[in-house]
Amino acid sequence: NAGVMQNPRHLVRRRGQEARLRCSPVKGHSHVYWYRQLPEEGLKFMVYLQKENIIDESGMPKERFSAEFPKEGPSILRIQQVVRGDSAAYFCASSPVTGLGTDTQYFGPGTRLTVL
Amino acid sequence: KNEVEQSPQNLTAQEGEFITINCSYSVGISALHWLQQHPGGGIVSLFMLSSGKKKHGRLIATINIQEKHSSLHITASHPRDSAVYICAVRLTSGSRLTFGEGTQLTVNP
Repeated sequence: NAGVMQNPRHLVRRRGQEARLRCSPVKGHSHVYWYRQLPEEGLKFMVYLQKENIIDESGMPKERFSAEFPKEGPSILRIQQVVRGDSAAYFCASSPVTGLGTDTQYFGPGTRLTVL
Repeated sequence: KNEVEQSPQNLTAQEGEFITINCSYSVGISALHWLQQHPGGGIVSLFMLSSGKKKHGRLIATINIQEKHSSLHITASHPRDSAVYICAVRLTSGSRLTFGEGTQLTVNP
């Protein structure tokens, strides 16, 4: 999983603020996935993006959450008006350009969001 | 009922023991992943399987597509193997990974 970068590694926000989480995939990978791990729970899929396109956002909460993966730069997961229930570890993963069902996903170190 | 079930939830072993963690799934899949999450929280992809068996060092992963079951084996376990092991499947109908709840493994010296 070397190569997937996430920042910040730890993020503290007060209720009502915005949180921006960044993910730089492995060089050459054009498929990015975001997953959330709530405290004491398993990982859950949030969104799957290719460059400039959202492919599957069926795991994203309908409000306050958005994601993008621009042509240039990292993928961004944005949470507006954070609430305490948003406190979790957010992991990004990337896979190679083919994006076939059998591609390995390489995980980043995660961003741990704490909402006070 | 979860689409991916792991057992056991917790496993404690003595150094040197042979470890088996099981994963069963109830949906059609294109691939199954075994992941390792260390206490610091980082996730490492150990294996991706679509059939048969793979081996890497002391780790062996097998999958039986007909029975919808996979196992992760660790031979000659070591305290540094202590981690959460997570089974994840990629459904044939999409791109998302669906995860099991994980197995917390503790290997005592």
